[in-house]
Amino acid sequence: EVQLVESGGGLVKPGGSLILSCAASGFTFSTYTVAWVRQAPRKGLEWVSSISGGSSSISYADSLKGRFTVSRDIAKNSLYLRMSSLRVEDTAVYHCATAAPGTRAFDIWGQGTMVTVSS
Amino acid sequence: QTVVTQEPSFSVSPGGTVTLTCGLSSGSVSTNYYPSWYQKTPGQAPRTLIHSTNTRSSGVPDRFSGSILGKKAALTITGAQADDESDYYCVLYMGSGFWVFGGGTKVTVL
Repeated sequence: EVQLVESGGGLVKPGGSLILSCAASGFTFSTYTVAWVRQAPRKGLEWVSSISGGSSSISYADSLKGRFTVSRDIAKNSLYLRMSSLRVEDTAVYHCATAAPGTRAFDIWGQGTMVTVSS
Repeated sequence: QTVVTQEPSFSVSPGGTVTLTCGLSSGSVSTNYYPSWYQKTPGQAPRTLIHSTNTRSSGVPDRFSGSILGKKAALTITGAQADDESDYYCVLYMGSGFWVFGGGTKVTVL
């Protein structure tokens, strides 16, 4: 079965750090660009970051201002998002998603993991 | 800063047709932006409906269609059903691994 499963969410204080993981199975993970997309409570979807299949191309939304770092481990079929200097406004469900080669669209989605930043 | 615009909400009668649009704060949307559309219901992962402007994803009913209308990308639901009531998001690919989501359109079927 093709799937993405996120983990690592939780409650963290403002200024704290957290690492999210996304485990892929059922497809050739190494050939896909993968992304993080988040949705804050009562807000819309927001693209956060993407990393290409060979990790040669990495991009971030301007709003993150260098606080987040994306990486992947091909051998473990996993994607990661290291979040630091967390703010209340980073509270959201974080989804990982694949971007199919050629379509520039997100096609496989995970269910998401909730990150709550609160004192 | 690039802003992708969508109507905040739409209401459609069961069996009716509704067209949602996706524009740019400056400029026109073309196929070069690879517009895609997603359906999002609370507590669920987003569902990909349309990619590459007008290609339906696997398993998506043909009542969903995508196009370019004038300067915007568009998603049309023809013959709306009750379970089409949801939030719909468009995404534009800006190049170099960057994407921008629109603010989403809440569709009510009543």
